[in-house]
Amino acid sequence: QITLKESGPMLVKPTQTLTLTCTFSGFSLSASGLGVGWVRQPPGKALEWLALIYWDDNKRYSPSLKSRLTITKDTSKNQVVLRMTNMDPVDTATYFCARYGSGKVAFDIWGQGTMVTVSS
Amino acid sequence: DIQMTQSPSTLSASVGDRVTITCRASQSISSWLAWYQQKPGKAPKLLMYQASTLESGVPSRFSGSGSGTEFTLTISSLQPDDFATYYCQQYNSYSYTFGQGTKLEIK
Repeated sequence: QITLKESGPMLVKPTQTLTLTCTFSGFSLSASGLGVGWVRQPPGKALEWLALIYWDDNKRYSPSLKSRLTITKDTSKNQVVLRMTNMDPVDTATYFCARYGSGKVAFDIWGQGTMVTVSS
Repeated sequence: DIQMTQSPSTLSASVGDRVTITCRASQSISSWLAWYQQKPGKAPKLLMYQASTLESGVPSRFSGSGSGTEFTLTISSLQPDDFATYYCQQYNSYSYTFGQGTKLEIK
């Protein structure tokens, strides 16, 4: 069974850095063709892709957020970490991590999401 | 950046209806399009990838078509479980974009 779970703070202050961890099981991020990505969803709004890290450690970022994002992986721990700097109230959202399959070019298994509120 | 525009934004339909949701890309994306279903408070669920390939376990009443800039998701006979919000997602040049969503409501 493949599962992913997001963890991190529920509340961050403006200008702080958000660090989210995606812990997964049932697959290895060293397997060719796989990746793990992050997608967020502000309350009542649409999904927004943020970042993706591939099995070969290639990384891709949303052009509009690239300067604020860093994605890394720890294959031995089955974890992917997303860092987002200079948080603002508009970054309040549910943050999802999801497995990515290069063959499908889609996110096929998703975590439950974690709600992050940015407020002083 | 490639923009994805879904229509309609909201669709009211009845159980048993055939419905179609359209997704248009601002430039050609070949067949690199996926469709997701999302219910309130839940994570999205992959329905279709590469425009027309049904994800394993997804009912065959769902179908997808299109290439280039125009794509459709069709549900042949709506079931009560299908009332949800649907998103398209494109891939192009190592960047991914979601549409704004189509909320499918019970008439």
